[in-house]
Amino acid sequence: EDKVVQSPLSLVVHEGDTVTLNCSYEVTNFRSLLWYKQEKKAPTFLFMLTSSGIEKKSGRLSSILDKKELFSILNITATQTGDSAVYLCAVDNYGQNFVFGPGTRLSVLP
Amino acid sequence: DVKVTQSSRYLVKRTGEKVFLECVQDMDHENMFWYRQDPGLGLRLIYFSYDVKMKEKGDIPEGYSVSREKKERFSLILESASTNQTSMYLCATTGQTTEAFFGQGTRLTVV
Repeated sequence: EDKVVQSPLSLVVHEGDTVTLNCSYEVTNFRSLLWYKQEKKAPTFLFMLTSSGIEKKSGRLSSILDKKELFSILNITATQTGDSAVYLCAVDNYGQNFVFGPGTRLSVLP
Repeated sequence: DVKVTQSSRYLVKRTGEKVFLECVQDMDHENMFWYRQDPGLGLRLIYFSYDVKMKEKGDIPEGYSVSREKKERFSLILESASTNQTSMYLCATTGQTTEAFFGQGTRLTVV
C-alpha cells in the first residue's frame, strides 16, 4: 500500500528559527512529490519535485528530493508568524491522484 | 487566473439529510478530485473523475457518491449525512501536469 509519512507531526518554534520538515514515502510508481501549505483555506501549492538532488527555492522556503532514499525535506529559514500552518507532503503515484501525508503542524511564536 | 470554486464555505446539515457539495473549475482540466481533511489524518481521497461521466472510488468512498455530467463540474453527494461526515471537504483538479489546484474548501457540520 502506498504510504507517505511526515515528521514531526507538530512543531513549535520562535520567530527567526530555521525549521526542517521531513517527508518519506513508499509508492509503487513515483512521478513527483509535492509540498503544500494549508492555513484556514485550501492548501496552496509550494513545490513540485521530480528529480533527485535539485533544490527548489522560493524566498525563505526550499525543498529537495532524494529518490534513492525516498524522502524529501522542506526548509524554512528565518521563520515568521505567518508561516504557521499545516505543511502537507503528497506523492503523485501515476494513478491520477495523490497520496498525502498527515501533515506537520508548524506554530511560530512571536 | 486559475479558479476552482466550491459552492459553499460553511454548511450545517442535520443527520439523515441529503447533501450536495459542488465544485466548478474553469481550467478545462480532465481530472477532478474530492478529498476530506480531518485533524491528524491529512487529506483522504473520496472519489475522483478523469472524464465526463467517469468516476472512480478513492480510499474512503463509503457514504458518498459523485456526479460529473459536465467537464467543469464535479459534485459530491452525501446520500444520508451522518455526524462522522463532519469534516472539511476539498475539491481539486489536475490537467496535463501533476500540479493540483484546490478549491477553498467546504466545512461541513452534521448535527
